[in-house]
Amino acid sequence: DGGITQSPKYLFRKEGQNVTLSCEQNLNHDAMYWYRQDPGQGLRLIYYSQIVNDFQKGDIAEGYSVSREKKESFPLTVTSAQKNPTAFYLCASSIPASNTEAFFGQGTRLTVV
Amino acid sequence: KQEVTQIPAALSVPEGENLVLNCSFTDSAIYNLQWFRQDPGKGLTSLLLIQSSQREQTSGRLNASLDKSSGRSTLYIAASQPGDSATYLCAVRPAGNMLTFGGGTRLMVKP
Repeated sequence: DGGITQSPKYLFRKEGQNVTLSCEQNLNHDAMYWYRQDPGQGLRLIYYSQIVNDFQKGDIAEGYSVSREKKESFPLTVTSAQKNPTAFYLCASSIPASNTEAFFGQGTRLTVV
Repeated sequence: KQEVTQIPAALSVPEGENLVLNCSFTDSAIYNLQWFRQDPGKGLTSLLLIQSSQREQTSGRLNASLDKSSGRSTLYIAASQPGDSATYLCAVRPAGNMLTFGGGTRLMVKP
């Protein structure tokens, strides 16, 4: 089945640590996105990539980094510079510049301990 | 900057009622508008996609309308069921491709 896989489902980070969230898709989509969701709120864009080896900052990129070395993969690193990283992180993919749907993974819940 | 607002933020109805969820956006230059469902602790499931040239889309008991000129969309749920309880999110896709989301409507359907 085609889809987006995020791992792990739950992640715990100690103060000062960097952690990496995985996002893999087999939908052959060029565009991939990372969103952050805080309790009771909508989604805010962290980073997006419309093609391999290229990515752009979203509205809340500070304290995060990404890479896009393969079409299928768009990992997100939450660095120690992100002061409030506890949130639910969602990865999405789509065909850029099209009228087709965006698809989402099942999310990773990150908690600072 | 595109802003998306969803009203109401929360809604509780008895089973069997028809209901309407509202979504408004500030910039009408969009490719499409997508409605999603989110269950607690889960990802987003796409419900309906309305292209900018369309007025409405239907899937089962769901009907979504789009009035691009006024910056409004509605999601109509007919004959609501307890299994419809979830958070419903609308998102618009502008020319830049990034989805901009509303804050969601948390729906509770009571048996």
